[in-house]
Amino acid sequence: AQSVAQPEDQVNVAEGNPLTVKCTYSVSGNPYLFWYVQYPNRGLQFLLKYITGDNLVKGSYGFEAEFNKSQTSFHLKKPSALVSDSALYFCAVRVPRGFKTIFGAGTRLFVKA
Amino acid sequence: DAGVTQSPTHLIKTRGQQVTLRCSPKSGHDTVSWYQQALGQGPQFIFQYYEEEERQRGNFPDRFSGHQFPNYSSELNVNALLLGDSALYLCASSPRYITGAEAFFGQGTRLTVV
Repeated sequence: AQSVAQPEDQVNVAEGNPLTVKCTYSVSGNPYLFWYVQYPNRGLQFLLKYITGDNLVKGSYGFEAEFNKSQTSFHLKKPSALVSDSALYFCAVRVPRGFKTIFGAGTRLFVKA
Repeated sequence: DAGVTQSPTHLIKTRGQQVTLRCSPKSGHDTVSWYQQALGQGPQFIFQYYEEEERQRGNFPDRFSGHQFPNYSSELNVNALLLGDSALYLCASSPRYITGAEAFFGQGTRLTVV
């Protein structure tokens, strides 16, 4: 069965420190991978995606993610966290030519000033 | 560009009632997907529409149905509401003709069933 795992319910980091939010997936083939962010009582905002090519992808607000095919991971990273990065982050996968996007359960990021 | 718009933003219904939620996709997008996000969980795929037909359905009962109109807007209908249907319902649109395109989400409709 296709699935996405975000092993950490919550990640705490001090402002200015690097952050990592982890994501692993179990999907056959070569899926498309996405990260979204959700602020309270809001919809999801797209951050970045991996379709093909360079394993390190850069996205909005200074975020980047590293695709690792052998480990089936797509971890979200940022070199220097901001308090305003505090939000709920979702990893998602979609099978090429498929219709359904599968989301992880989400990781809440707290950045302390 | 208004992006994806959903209406209403909040809704309170009684068990057993029926509800209709509406979504207008981002300009240029022809595909609409609906998701249910229960409190503290990730969005769960309900179904996707393009060319006015349901293309794939997630693990949701037939009480959940939808429709897409010629202008690509969409409705989600839920019949015989249960308390467990209380959730944030998200609509997402994307352009089918762009490989790997990300979905754009609306702000959601918060449905409370009492």
